[in-house]
Amino acid sequence: EPEVTQTPSHQVTQMGQEVILRCVPISNHLYFYWYRQILGQKVEFLVSFYNNEISEKSEIFDDQFSVERPDGSNFTLKIRSTKLEDSAMYFCSSNRVAHNEQFFGPGTRLTVL
Amino acid sequence: QQQVKQSPQSLIVQKGGISIINCAYENTAFDYFPWYQQFPGKGPALLIAIRPDVSEKKEGRFTISFNKSAKQFSLHIMDSQPGDSATYFCAASSGNTPLVFGKGTRLSVIA
Repeated sequence: EPEVTQTPSHQVTQMGQEVILRCVPISNHLYFYWYRQILGQKVEFLVSFYNNEISEKSEIFDDQFSVERPDGSNFTLKIRSTKLEDSAMYFCSSNRVAHNEQFFGPGTRLTVL
Repeated sequence: QQQVKQSPQSLIVQKGGISIINCAYENTAFDYFPWYQQFPGKGPALLIAIRPDVSEKKEGRFTISFNKSAKQFSLHIMDSQPGDSATYFCAASSGNTPLVFGKGTRLSVIA
């Protein structure tokens, strides 16, 4: 069964450093999302991406964040200058048709020291 | 308006019992209501979902009950098993909007 994959599974970085989180969505999916989950809290939407552009973003997704689909398979989330409060699990998801089941990846645990 | 309120925060159920988790929403534009199951260290996995044109949907031991007038929906897990122990999230969305998640319920099923 096809699945969303994410790398790395765990990323440790120093405050102020840039990180890139990578996702490979399911191959025939067209809509891509990033969510984050601070430890013990709910899953929060960051950004959605369709047709090579951002379709929606939340208040969390400020100028420090960017997304890119550099090729036909990868979908990346970049945090330019990490802060302590960026420490969280970051989940990528995708679906083929909007307003339908979203398939989540296993997540990347980001730890900012 | 965009919130989905979930309760209880945690739940302990005896093996074989019924687990019930409730969610309420305010945005009447929401028209897709999924439940996700999450095990520690894993991403959320879709368990079951409902749209407001039906009041109940059952898949195996899992049932969603939906009350459109009250703007509430609930997950019932029949014959709960220790393997059901996980965190459960309700969510809602409308049209092309992203999912809005509840805060989650940590379910523990004890033998």
